[in-house]
Amino acid sequence: SQQGEEDPQALSIQEGENATMNCSYKTSINNLQWYRQNSGRGLVHLILIRSNEREKHSGRLRVTLDTSKKSSSLLITASRAADTASYFCATEPSGSEKLVFGKGTKLTVNP
Amino acid sequence: NAGVMQNPRHLVRRRGQEARLRCSPMKGHSHVYWYRQLPEEGLKFMVYLQKENIIDESGMPKERFSAEFPKEGPSILRIQQVVRGDSAAYFCASSGRDRDTDTQYFGPGTRLTVL
Repeated sequence: SQQGEEDPQALSIQEGENATMNCSYKTSINNLQWYRQNSGRGLVHLILIRSNEREKHSGRLRVTLDTSKKSSSLLITASRAADTASYFCATEPSGSEKLVFGKGTKLTVNP
Repeated sequence: NAGVMQNPRHLVRRRGQEARLRCSPMKGHSHVYWYRQLPEEGLKFMVYLQKENIIDESGMPKERFSAEFPKEGPSILRIQQVVRGDSAAYFCASSGRDRDTDTQYFGPGTRLTVL
């Protein structure tokens, strides 16, 4: 069964605006990872946040993790047209080394 | 530093034929994972291997699918007697867990089309 569920399913914004995507999951985890996928391409790893971390930054990306609510958010600041892609959260369940993916958020950044 | 490599990138098979998908992990990585992605869906875990060992195959269909990661050479995902429902993108990922790095890095995928 799908563990990570992203919200919203689709998001359309203007260049320069911020984009926020949310992810909820069901079981305890070792870590949570965010990936980007351009249409028809492979996955690019964006950021990993461990279960004992609450916030992490990487360039224009900010990820938060709330293990009590079993949720995470990905914020992309000052978005660019090149950020247009699908974004997936993937959780690594405790005691496992596989990743469980959600269905993704399709982000469109309009120039 | 080459990333995860997969070949072929595109594979067309007729129903009943065999499909072999290859994955070479990043240099220094000995943990390989295979995932399948259907159109407009997220990735679904299939199998996790280390050199010469299958660690977790809980996502593998019981029949027609097999995977290996020999001591030498790439990891192979093999699908026998393919059916139309096997059409999907198959992604391989690798990690360097033995170096305390649990990020999984993905290859470009193999897009399998079954006619």
